[in-house]
Amino acid sequence: KAGVTQTPRYLIKTRGQQVTLSCSPISGHRSVSWYQQTPGQGLQFLFEYFSETQRNKGNFPGRFSGRQFSNSRSEMNVSTLELGDSALYLCASSLTGVSGNTEAFFGQGTRLTVV
Amino acid sequence: AQSVTQLGSHVSVSEGALVLLRCNYSSSVPPYLFWYVQYPNQGLQLLLKYTSAATLVKGINGFEAEFKKSETSFHLTKPSAHMSDAAEYFCAVADTYGNNRLAFGKGNQVVVIP
Repeated sequence: KAGVTQTPRYLIKTRGQQVTLSCSPISGHRSVSWYQQTPGQGLQFLFEYFSETQRNKGNFPGRFSGRQFSNSRSEMNVSTLELGDSALYLCASSLTGVSGNTEAFFGQGTRLTVV
Repeated sequence: AQSVTQLGSHVSVSEGALVLLRCNYSSSVPPYLFWYVQYPNQGLQLLLKYTSAATLVKGINGFEAEFKKSETSFHLTKPSAHMSDAAEYFCAVADTYGNNRLAFGKGNQVVVIP
């Protein structure tokens, strides 16, 4: 059974540009969540999508957005990149969301560097 | 909102010694609690989870954790550290209302000394 696949693994962008990251969840999983990991702030929740709808949102500016397709694949977009957006972006998939009966499986992440 | 606290960002342990990583949670509702491990340049791997079925939870790689409601704690232990245990460990909480977000602690970087 294939795991969570994130592409690309590494990305270098210039301030002011925009970027799109992709996540393919485990087959059959309908919930996809995104997290940002930085040395200073640690792991922070960005948003969660379930059946193509954003179900939860973290405390990030509107420059961060996402979407989910009918096959549950998800993309997140960051517009007008800032140096502080440099981070490891992790995608997590689960059957229906985090609960007592399901758990989140994480991809290897996309390392974004903004210069 | 739920949260977890992990003290001591770096933890050094001798090979063969006890590994103890502390996690205290704050939640106004019964929580789901998780421990994840992250190896360099990798994502997070689930070690174990507490879902109220049992207070002592056994996970992978010889790790276990005990849920103590009176102490609002979910400490992670392993009786004998191995070199391969060197990694970063995160405690996380999700509330039972199913908001489907994990709140993570700051993490513990474990160094195993031969």
